[in-house]
Amino acid sequence: DTGVSQNPRHKITKRGQNVTFRCDPISEHNRLYWYRQTLGQGPEFLTYFQNEAQLEKSRLLSDRFSAERPKGSFSTLEIQRTEQGDSAMYLCASSTTGGAGETQYFGPGTRLLVL
Amino acid sequence: KQEVTQIPAALSVPEGENLVLNCSFTDSAIYNLQWFRQDPGKGLTSLLLIQSSQREQTSGRLNASLDKSSGRSTLYIAASQPGDSATYLCAVLGPSGTYKYIFGTGTRLKVLA
Repeated sequence: DTGVSQNPRHKITKRGQNVTFRCDPISEHNRLYWYRQTLGQGPEFLTYFQNEAQLEKSRLLSDRFSAERPKGSFSTLEIQRTEQGDSAMYLCASSTTGGAGETQYFGPGTRLLVL
Repeated sequence: KQEVTQIPAALSVPEGENLVLNCSFTDSAIYNLQWFRQDPGKGLTSLLLIQSSQREQTSGRLNASLDKSSGRSTLYIAASQPGDSATYLCAVLGPSGTYKYIFGTGTRLKVLA
């Protein structure tokens, strides 16, 4: 169990460029979550997958955002035509289906800066 | 819509003090509540998880309580140390039917040596 990993850890891009982040969950965790955290705020839910199915998407996830989990293992989050307002920490978490005892394990995050 | 509030937003205490961080939530139909620690620029570290049927959890110098009926949780830190300086986030899972955490905005703690 190596924990949740995210790559890259930092990304600087120019406005209008596309960026893609990767999340590798804890092996055999069937649920995977994406959150976004802006400075001074708590993380906000973006979307989650159970296996390869995307079951819920937040209204924060505009048309420029797309997330995939093609084989039910790792996931990617792509932002197209980045805007300065997209600058944030993007956190990934994974869990097993556990009801009241469910614990989400968070990765170290990808910090995005859009210039 | 579930909302989570944390008070105070920031706290500065001398080393050795016992302290209490507060978290309140609006919808009591939760699966669980979790306290996290976040160091500047880093991810989240889970501190304590309290299931909806539990009243409290303890780990070392940390004790977290949950009163679902009143929508409140407290995190008690005993004998604070400079290494405890961080942002502490409270998050609730639920209400029932949703599996996303709703986070508070956190309490920024600074423990002075």
